[in-house]
Order: sequence, then C-alpha cells, then structure tokens
Amino acid sequence: NAGVTQTPKFRVLKTGQSMTLLCAQDMNHEYMYWYRQDPGMGLRLIHYSVGEGTTAKGEVPDGYNVSRLKKQNFLLGLESAAPSQTSVYFCASRTGDEQFFGPGTRLTVL
Amino acid sequence: QKEVEQDPGPLSVPEGAIVSLNCTYSNSAFQYFMWYRQYSRKGPELLMYTYSSGNKEDGRFTAQVDKSSKYISLFIRDSQPSDSATYLCAMSYSSGSARQLTFGSGTQLTVLP
Repeated sequence: NAGVTQTPKFRVLKTGQSMTLLCAQDMNHEYMYWYRQDPGMGLRLIHYSVGEGTTAKGEVPDGYNVSRLKKQNFLLGLESAAPSQTSVYFCASRTGDEQFFGPGTRLTVL
Repeated sequence: QKEVEQDPGPLSVPEGAIVSLNCTYSNSAFQYFMWYRQYSRKGPELLMYTYSSGNKEDGRFTAQVDKSSKYISLFIRDSQPSDSATYLCAMSYSSGSARQLTFGSGTQLTVLP
C-alpha cells in the first residue's frame, strides 16, 4: 500500500516551458487536492477534485490546469511556467476528515 | 488579513520542555480544527483533529480550541528530539463535500537533546 505518490520529485524548468505533475493514490479515495507550499505562506489550495471526471478551482488556480480521468490519478499541468511558480507542490487525497499527503515535488522555474 | 494566523517561530526548546503552539482565526464559520506535523522534506501528516471547543488529548499531545476567542493551541508535553518538525494548524467548514482546508503558515520546532 503506497498511499499517495508524486512524480517527479524534483524538476527545473525554464520560463515558458510546460510540464505535468502526476499524483497517484491507491486508497480508493474520492477526493483529491493539489497544494503549493511557499515559505511563510503555508499550504495553499490550487485545484481539487471530488471524484473521477470532476475538478474545481481552489484559492490560487491561475496558471495551472488539472485533470482527473481516472479515480486514482490527479494531474497538475503548467502550460507556460513562470518564476512565480517556483514552489513545493503537494498532492493529497481524503477520506472522512483526514487528508493524506504525498511527499511533494520541488519545482524551480528559472 | 489572513484567515488563519500562526506564530512562525522558529521555536527551540530543550528536551522534556512543554511546548505551546498557537493559531488564531478570523472566520467564525470554521468548525473543524486540525494540527498537521511536517518533517523536513516530507508531506504533512495529521496529528490531531477536533471539531468542538475544549481539550482533546492523545498521549503527549493536547489540542485546545476556544471558539469564542477564535484561538487554537497544540501542547506537547515531555518534548522529544523526534518532535522536531514544522507544525501546521488547519481549519475547515462545511463547504459542500470538498471540505477544503485553510492552513496556517506553520511553526518550525526544534527540540534539543
């Protein structure tokens, strides 16, 4: 039982490049979330999903897109990366009142 | 003004000390209160969860909620070096089925042996 996994662990992009972050969970959870964590800002919700085929915007959605084609996977896309998107990205899935977090992806945009 | 304010620290204490971590919030609609622990370069993990005013105890950890003052605290008794981590408070209210969390900025704690 791997829980929540994230791919890749680290990535360096140049401004304007695109990439996709993959989140996978094997706990059969309906709800999944993408956060970013920046120093002094805590965790901020980017997008979330309440089930397969559904997505919704969170607090800071601009510059990101998401897809939930399969229940176990939640993808976060950056179409044209900007230095302001340098951050640590966490995915989480939820059952009941507990969110389970992945190990994070450290993204640097030069 | 942020909805959730948390003392940023960092906080450094000797082993065995009692630690108090605090958050204040402005939105009276928050009903569920959580504390997450995050070790360096790891994802957060749920430590304590409560939805009512008062105290909840789990081993060396006590979560305290005062809804009238919009104030929550986490107390750690007999602190250990293994408690060294960043502690994040989090809150939510019933917003449909998504139960979105609003996090504090985190307090970095170091327990010195």
